[in-house]
Amino acid sequence: EAGVAQSPRYKIIEKRQSVAFWCNPISGHATLYWYQQILGQGPKLLIQFQNNGVVDDSQLPKDRFSAERLKGVDSTLKIQPAKLEDSAVYLCASSLVLPSGSRADTQYFGPGTRLTVL
Amino acid sequence: GQSLEQPSEVTAVEGAIVQINCTYQTSGFYGLSWYQQHDGGAPTFLSYNALDGLEETGRFSSFLSRSDSYGYLLLQELQMKDSASYFCAVTLPLRGSARQLTFGSGTQLTVLP
Repeated sequence: EAGVAQSPRYKIIEKRQSVAFWCNPISGHATLYWYQQILGQGPKLLIQFQNNGVVDDSQLPKDRFSAERLKGVDSTLKIQPAKLEDSAVYLCASSLVLPSGSRADTQYFGPGTRLTVL
Repeated sequence: GQSLEQPSEVTAVEGAIVQINCTYQTSGFYGLSWYQQHDGGAPTFLSYNALDGLEETGRFSSFLSRSDSYGYLLLQELQMKDSASYFCAVTLPLRGSARQLTFGSGTQLTVLP
């Protein structure tokens, strides 16, 4: 079974430039997540989709970040314009939709995109 | 809001047993998970506790006590390849069947020969 795919793996841009990241989740996983992981910290959820609808985007800086999941499969995360503090690894994860109260809710992570903003 | 506290670093020798603690301030969560992340790698799922008590998966065990707002990950027979960051995370309910993970800041485990 193929895992979560992300591209690019690395990106270096200057502040005020734009950047986009792509994610292809595991086939059949209805839920897709974008996380930001700053060095030395845990992943922080930015946005969560279920199929092609947004479930939660309360921590997404909407003045500069946007995300979409057309057709409920692939997703893109965009930053425009980037700031120095956006330097981080951007992780995409996916999971199955489970009935309420199910035992486990494992998320499967992609390798991430390491963004450096100069 | 939710907060999870973990030690930032733990060091142990090969073959030893190490316990990584996680204390949290949250309520109404489904369970406590543990993820492993090697440098430059993706977080990978290790263990999940929905109920109080111990869950064992090979060399790794995880424990949860909701009354004490506390959990831990126990790694036995440590190997060099266990050197990684370990994150605890709570699964929170959202609307409908949706769930959400909130991660702690992680514990960097170094295994020495």
